[in-house]
Amino acid sequence: AQSVTQLGSHVSVSEGALVLLRCNYSSSVPPYLFWYVQYPNQGLQLLLKYTSAATLVKGINGFEAEFKKSETSFHLTKPSAHMSDAAEYFCAVDTNAGNMLTFGGGTRLMVKP
Amino acid sequence: EAGVAQSPRYKIIEKRQSVAFWCNPISGHATLYWYQQILGQGPKLLIQFQNNGVVDDSQLPKDRFSAERLKGVDSTLKIQPAKLEDSAVYLCASSLIGGGGAKAFFGQGTRLTVV
Repeated sequence: AQSVTQLGSHVSVSEGALVLLRCNYSSSVPPYLFWYVQYPNQGLQLLLKYTSAATLVKGINGFEAEFKKSETSFHLTKPSAHMSDAAEYFCAVDTNAGNMLTFGGGTRLMVKP
Repeated sequence: EAGVAQSPRYKIIEKRQSVAFWCNPISGHATLYWYQQILGQGPKLLIQFQNNGVVDDSQLPKDRFSAERLKGVDSTLKIQPAKLEDSAVYLCASSLIGGGGAKAFFGQGTRLTVV
């Protein structure tokens, strides 16, 4: 079985500040990990994914995430928040065996001017 | 490249009525998924198709929900009869292959309100 926990359902940062969204996973087999972003009234858009190559993964819009096996974490970061980053972010896990994408509960990012 | 198309965008029905959602995946994508996203929660997989066969429907409430993917392209998801707790956004997604880190592309979803 696999599961995802996102710590903090709401995160608020000031424009220009560091963004850190936390994700921890559990999986009995090596996982594939994803971050998706959902803007209001839109579908989910893939930000980045980890597929067992480099542990530091760079995605779109300046986001990156680091896979840490020892901590079972895949936290999402961005050095400087922009107003347009305000959205809901979902971490998800998949495995070869599971063939099923399991999502966390989501974190709503708010960016203050 | 055209994305995943879903219709309708919004639907309001009374409890015990039936409703159907339609999804047209990206051309050439063999795998199609239906997710249910309740307000404030992450999407939950309801059913996964590989071409026109079901790969996983373990979380589909089969007493009221049904889905089909005839000819391995378009898909419909039906709820009959609907309950208040079925109010959610129903997301359709498709990918070239299934599982193993495959990138899934999502439609905009159908927002269902059951009153």
